[in-house]
Amino acid sequence: EAGVAQSPRYKIIEKRQSVAFWCNPISGHATLYWYQQILGQGPKLLIQFQNNGVVDDSQLPKDRFSAERLKGVDSTLKIQPAKLEDSAVYLCASSLGRSRTGELFFGEGSRLTVL
Amino acid sequence: EDQVTQSPEALRLQEGESSSLNCSYTVSGLRGLFWYRQDPGKGPEFLFTLYSAGEEKEKERLKATLTKKESFLHITAPKPEDSATYLCAVYNFNKFYFGSGTKLNVKP
Repeated sequence: EAGVAQSPRYKIIEKRQSVAFWCNPISGHATLYWYQQILGQGPKLLIQFQNNGVVDDSQLPKDRFSAERLKGVDSTLKIQPAKLEDSAVYLCASSLGRSRTGELFFGEGSRLTVL
Repeated sequence: EDQVTQSPEALRLQEGESSSLNCSYTVSGLRGLFWYRQDPGKGPEFLFTLYSAGEEKEKERLKATLTKKESFLHITAPKPEDSATYLCAVYNFNKFYFGSGTKLNVKP
């Protein structure tokens, strides 16, 4: 079974530039998450989708971050304009969506460096 | 405030030296507690799910236990390949709360 795919793995940009990350979840997984992980910290939820609807985006900085999941499959996370503090690993995760099972399957992550 | 706290932040062990990692939580309405392993440059990898106090799960040298307010990850006779960051996450209704992790280093 193919895992969660993310690209690019690494991205270096100047502040105020824009960047986009792509995620393709495990086939059949209804729930998709984007997490931000700053070095030495645990993952912080940015946005959660159930199929193509947003379940939770309360911690998404909406003035600069946006995300979409068209057709309920793959997803794109965009940052525009980037700030220095956005330097982090952006993890995409998916799950079946059944509350009892719940475990998340993570991709390898996209490491962003903002200079 | 819903919170997950892991201790210690870092742990250095000699190969074969058993120890435990702690995950305490103040999240209400727990529906599951998850342990993940994260290697440098990789995404977290699922290890265990615990659903109720008293439950235990084992996998090779790892054993996870759960009480009403904390979970322990016991590592028996660790090997260098067990070196990683171990993350704890609490699932509440429709949301995961992650701790900051314990970075384990096992020296040969």
